[in-house]
Amino acid sequence: GIQVEQSPPDLILQEGANSTLRCNFSDSVNNLQWFHQNPWGQLINLFYIPSGTKQNGRLSATTVATERYSLLYISSSQTTDSGVYFCAALSGGYNKLIFGAGTRLAVHP
Amino acid sequence: KAGVTQTPRYLIKTRGQQVTLSCSPISGHRSVSWYQQTPGQGLQFLFEYFSETQRNKGNFPGRFSGRQFSNSRSEMNVSTLELGDSALYLCASSGNWDTQYFGPGTRLTVL
Repeated sequence: GIQVEQSPPDLILQEGANSTLRCNFSDSVNNLQWFHQNPWGQLINLFYIPSGTKQNGRLSATTVATERYSLLYISSSQTTDSGVYFCAALSGGYNKLIFGAGTRLAVHP
Repeated sequence: KAGVTQTPRYLIKTRGQQVTLSCSPISGHRSVSWYQQTPGQGLQFLFEYFSETQRNKGNFPGRFSGRQFSNSRSEMNVSTLELGDSALYLCASSGNWDTQYFGPGTRLTVL
């Protein structure tokens, strides 16, 4: 089955800095999502992005499906951006998301 | 629209007991998926239901089971609980094969 790898595993930033999180997947996908897990455990949808580029405020994402990777950009980071970011891919039919191990982001004031 | 709801939010059980978790999807969504999150294994797919039928199942023992009702609400059951079943259980709903929306999760502790 499809494998999803995220890098870096941990990231420490000063408030105001920019960052790029990467997600590599081993096969073609028809669903690629980015999530932010809040301190209470809920997965918050950031982007549904099987291909192309999307932006939402300070966050943007790009998926290059032909090269099997996706990038999440966080600009002007804030302490509230801290937490774990997951990408998840779906390959083939049905709603079985395969998650990466996550990137743990800590933003310090 | 109301989001995905899960009950209970927290649960403490002892080894050997069984537990039932509930998930109500977003109105109109017919697909409900369940995931287990542990520090060691990360987020793993348990199973997915669509229109009361299990369409896909992850690599978990038969102690883990689920069902979906005609109103799309879903339950998962874990029998003969083991210490390793302590985890955050998340359910997600989807209208079709695109964005999945997750509930707040049920945190299960097995003592």
